Amino acid sequence: AQSVTQLGSHVSVSEGALVLLRCNYSSSVPPYLFWYVQYPNQGLQLLLKYTSAATLVKGINGFEAEFKKSETSFHLTKPSAHMSDAAEYFCAVSDLKAAGNKLTFGGGTRVLVKP
Amino acid sequence: KAGVTQTPRYLIKTRGQQVTLSCSPISGHRSVSWYQQTPGQGLQFLFEYFSETQRNKGNFPGRFSGRQFSNSRSEMNVSTLELGDSALYLCASSLDLVGSRYEQYFGPGTRLTVT
Repeated sequence: AQSVTQLGSHVSVSEGALVLLRCNYSSSVPPYLFWYVQYPNQGLQLLLKYTSAATLVKGINGFEAEFKKSETSFHLTKPSAHMSDAAEYFCAVSDLKAAGNKLTFGGGTRVLVKP
Repeated sequence: KAGVTQTPRYLIKTRGQQVTLSCSPISGHRSVSWYQQTPGQGLQFLFEYFSETQRNKGNFPGRFSGRQFSNSRSEMNVSTLELGDSALYLCASSLDLVGSRYEQYFGPGTRLTVT
């Protein structure tokens, strides 16, 4: 079964500093991978997705992620953090063996941005 | 285009009662998935409906059920509520076409509190 591990449940960064959120997946076949962001009292918003095309994926709000098959990783980065980036971020993997649209999520990483 | 809508946004119920939550997907989306989000268990997949049929199911007891109507709107029902059912219930819809499979768009959620 697929699984997703996000290293670090909380990350604190200074405004203007690099944001790096780590995600490792376990899958028997190369999956589709996603990053979602959740602001307080809201649902999840899709940041970006990897679907076996380019390994470097650019998303919204200046975020990007790189798929590394050899490391089974899909880390999310943003060169310069903004106060509005404070939120919880979830990495998700598709279950290609299951019928339909099933996503398995990591435990989430809460980002705090310090002024 | 309107996003995924969920009603109600907040709900307080008593143990033993039942509850029905509603989800209207993005226009044209035929797949609707439900997830439960709790601080302890994170985001867990409940089930997915496509063309009024349950296509996938997570590991939840039979007290959790759902259905989808011909207009793709979906409802989920929880019977005999337990304190542990307190959670944010998220609905997500997907276009479910080649190139967009697994790409899910989430509603704001229904916050259920069981007392």
